[in-house]
Amino acid sequence: DVKVTQSSRYLVKRTGEKVFLECVQDMDHENMFWYRQDPGLGLRLIYFSYDVKMKEKGDIPEGYSVSREKKERFSLILESASTNQTSMYLCASSLLSGRATDTQYFGPGTRLTVL
Amino acid sequence: AQTVTQSQPEMSVQEAETVTLSCTYDTSESDYYLFWYKQPPSRQMILVIRQEAYKQQNATENRFSVNFQKAAKSFSLKISDSQLGDAAMYFCASGEKTSYDKVIFGPGTSLSVIP
Repeated sequence: DVKVTQSSRYLVKRTGEKVFLECVQDMDHENMFWYRQDPGLGLRLIYFSYDVKMKEKGDIPEGYSVSREKKERFSLILESASTNQTSMYLCASSLLSGRATDTQYFGPGTRLTVL
Repeated sequence: AQTVTQSQPEMSVQEAETVTLSCTYDTSESDYYLFWYKQPPSRQMILVIRQEAYKQQNATENRFSVNFQKAAKSFSLKISDSQLGDAAMYFCASGEKTSYDKVIFGPGTSLSVIP
């Protein structure tokens, strides 16, 4: 079974802090994704990566950056956290790049609160 | 642009009864996949069922089945013999083959199962 893990389930940070969220998958998947989940809005794509060191912006990349130095690890960075970034963050992976038709496997999520 | 709509923010069903969750989508592509994902409380999101647009036959996975109406762009999920473990957020999603890695999620439907 594919396992996707995220570094923290709950995180509380202060406005202006730099925040790192880490995601690791153990099945050699090419694609990795970061989503933000807010009530009534579903999942919105922040960034995705289809290969090491490669990244593409999603629908809401402003205020975020990402890093993928190794195939299994995909990090989401909030350079200067703001209160409107309080949300649930979900990481996901899928097997092959270039295919929006593959099943995505999700991590447990990180609930981030920015005070 | 792809869109996915779920018009029922909340639904409830009696244990052992059948419930149908609605989803409509919009796409200009002819080759795409549709998905239903389930997110139980405090647990990871998992794929419930997946349908290829080219296939006429509705997908089925045990107690879960879909009613795929391509012309109407409708993709509803039917859960038969509902169980307490079916209580979750359900997200409908669409992935176009030409959109590489991007999948669009609907806002979700929260399903409660009444004992």
